[in-house]
Amino acid sequence: AQSVTQPDIHITVSEGASLELRCNYSYGATPYLFWYVQSPGQGLQLLLKYFSGDTLVQGIKGFEAEFKRSQSSFNLRKPSVHWSDAAEYFCAVGYSGNTGKLIFGQGTTLQVKP
Amino acid sequence: DTEVTQTPKHLVMGMTNKKSLKCEQHMGHRAMYWYKQKAKKPPELMFVYSYEKLSINESVPSRFSPECPNSSLLNLHLHALQPEDSALYLCASSQDIAGRETQYFGPGTRLLVL
Repeated sequence: AQSVTQPDIHITVSEGASLELRCNYSYGATPYLFWYVQSPGQGLQLLLKYFSGDTLVQGIKGFEAEFKRSQSSFNLRKPSVHWSDAAEYFCAVGYSGNTGKLIFGQGTTLQVKP
Repeated sequence: DTEVTQTPKHLVMGMTNKKSLKCEQHMGHRAMYWYKQKAKKPPELMFVYSYEKLSINESVPSRFSPECPNSSLLNLHLHALQPEDSALYLCASSQDIAGRETQYFGPGTRLLVL
C-alpha cells in the first residue's frame, strides 16, 4: 500500500541555520509529490511540488526539495531559516489514478529558536 | 487568485443542533474536497466532489452530509454531532481529481461540539 513517512515528528533549529525535513514514500509508479506548510489554526499552503523533469524543485519562501528515486525520498530544504518558518510541514503523495486522494505524512513540527 | 474561502471561521454547537459549513472557490476548479483535521495530525479526507457529483465518501458517518450546489460552492451540513467531531474542517479544490493536480486549501472552520 502507498504510504508517506516523515521520520522527524519535531525539529528545532536556530534562526539563520539551515533546515532539512525528510520525507520518504512508498509507491509503485512515479509519484506526484507535494510539500505543504500549515501555520497554527490555518489551512495548508503549497510550498512546492514535483511531477517530472528536474529533480530539484524550487518553491515559495526560499524552500527547495529534491526528488531521489533511488531513495524514495523528497526532502525539503532551506538554507537559512526565519522565525516565521515555525509551523507544521506535511509531505504528500498524489495517486496516479483519478481519485483526488492525497496520502499525507504525519507531519513535522518546526520550532525556530531566536 | 488561488483562494478558497470558508465560513464561519469558528463554530460552537450542541449535540442536537443543525449547522452548515460553507466553502467557495472562483478558480474554475471542478473538484472540491472536505477534510477533517485533529490537532497535530494530517488532514483526513472525508468527501470528494468531481463535476458537482459525489466521487468519494470515506465512510463518513451520516451526521455529516455534503452538498455541492454548483461548481463554486461546497457545503457540509452537520446534525447530531458528537464531541469527538470537534476538529478543524478544511475545504480544498483542484482543477480535477487527477493525482497530479494541486489541491488548494481554505483556512478552515474550527468546530467545537459541546
